[in-house]
Amino acid sequence: GAVVSQHPSWVICKSGTSVKIECRSLDFQATTMFWYRQFPKQSLMLMATSNEGSKATYEQGVEKDKFLINHASLTLSTLTVTSAHPEDSSFYICSARSPSGEDTQYFGPGTRLTVL
Amino acid sequence: KQEVTQIPAALSVPEGENLVLNCSFTDSAIYNLQWFRQDPGKGLTSLLLIQSSQREQTSGRLNASLDKSSGRSTLYIAASQPGDSATYLCAVTFGNEKLTFGTGTRLTIIP
Repeated sequence: GAVVSQHPSWVICKSGTSVKIECRSLDFQATTMFWYRQFPKQSLMLMATSNEGSKATYEQGVEKDKFLINHASLTLSTLTVTSAHPEDSSFYICSARSPSGEDTQYFGPGTRLTVL
Repeated sequence: KQEVTQIPAALSVPEGENLVLNCSFTDSAIYNLQWFRQDPGKGLTSLLLIQSSQREQTSGRLNASLDKSSGRSTLYIAASQPGDSATYLCAVTFGNEKLTFGTGTRLTIIP
C-alpha cells in the first residue's frame, strides 16, 4: 500500500525559532499533498493544499507567511513554521493523494511540535 | 457551511459487544466519506471508504453505511476487542475535494 512518512516525528524548539517538517510519499508520486493541524482532543483542521511546482493554497485564517509550504518534487513537501510561538504547539499531519485517480488520501504518522 | 459531527464524543463498551459509531454531515452533495482510526499520538489509519454512489462497505469486523439523503453514516464494529480502543474519525469529501473531519469518537473497549 501507499506509504507516507514524516520527519521528524517530534520536535521541541525555543520560541522565535523556525522548524521544518518534511512529508514524503515513499512508493508513489503525489501531485497534491495536504497539511493538517490537530490540537489536543480536537479533530484535524486543513491548513493548506500543496501542489507540486506551484504555490500552496491556504485555508482561511492560516498565515501563509508563517507557515511556509514548499512542494518541490512529486515525493516531497515541506512545512516550515517560522518564528514559532507556544500557541503553534500542535500535532501536524500531512497526507498525499495519488495522481492515479484514487480518491483516498494517505496520511503520514504526524509530527508533534512543542514550542517552549 | 459544510460540517461533520460525531456523537458521542466518547464511548465505553464491554469486550465482545457489537457497537455503532455515528457521523452526520450537513451537505448531502458529498463525493465520498471515509472512516479513520487514530491511536493516541499517532497518525491516521484509513478503515473504509464509501463513494457517494455506494450505500455500504465492509472490511472484516467493520461495516460502514452511508445515507446521503439523511446526511448520516454509521460505523458498525462487531465483536469488539480491546485492540479496537482508539479514536474513530469520520471525514467527508465535499464537492470542493477537501476532507472535512468530524471531531471523533474516543472508543474504549473494556476487557
